[in-house]
Amino acid sequence: GESVGLHLPTLSVQEGDNSIINCAYSNSASDYFIWYKQESGKGPQFIIDIRSNMDKRQGQRVTVLLNKTVKHLSLQIAATQPGDSAVYFCAEKLLLGSQGNLIFGKGTKLSVKP
Amino acid sequence: NAGVTQTPKFRVLKTGQSMTLLCAQDMNHEYMYWYRQDPGMGLRLIHYSVGEGTTAKGEVPDGYNVSRLKKQNFLLGLESAAPSQTSVYFCASITRLGLRSNQPQHFGDGTRLSIL
Repeated sequence: GESVGLHLPTLSVQEGDNSIINCAYSNSASDYFIWYKQESGKGPQFIIDIRSNMDKRQGQRVTVLLNKTVKHLSLQIAATQPGDSAVYFCAEKLLLGSQGNLIFGKGTKLSVKP
Repeated sequence: NAGVTQTPKFRVLKTGQSMTLLCAQDMNHEYMYWYRQDPGMGLRLIHYSVGEGTTAKGEVPDGYNVSRLKKQNFLLGLESAAPSQTSVYFCASITRLGLRSNQPQHFGDGTRLSIL
């Protein structure tokens, strides 16, 4: 079946460095992608999203890149802070069918070393 | 504005017991979802609802039932709990317009359920 997955289950970075979290998706019919942050004991929190007609979108300290040719999504966090430590999930929304339900990746755990 | 509220936050059940998880949202959202999250896995959709009085099956519906009698509430029931249902359960919601205009779902903080 079609699924969203992540290249690395864990990522450890030094405080102040930039972080890059990757996600591979397999459904070319997806038209919308989201990155969620999940802190321990909390629900997923929206970080940034991107539509399929874009290849880059920037927020505050975060950037999402979409490469539809290779079906790859990445989240870049600039100047990573201890508060960024969490599990990050990507999700895709199918354009057709399934009521627009989201398909989630398995998540990458980001640890920030002080 | 409470957003999406899930109750209870924690629960331990014995195999065969039944229980109901409650999700309440105060944002007047039409769409509501129940997911389960297991270690090392992404969220998987159990059931969802596109409006009051309607429900539909998601990816992993077996062993669960749902009801949406009121727009603001979405209930997830386990009729006869099994150890395989030990998980963290998340509820989410979104407006119909938000779904169609590509906006993110809003999540609650989860219910941690252990089945012994």
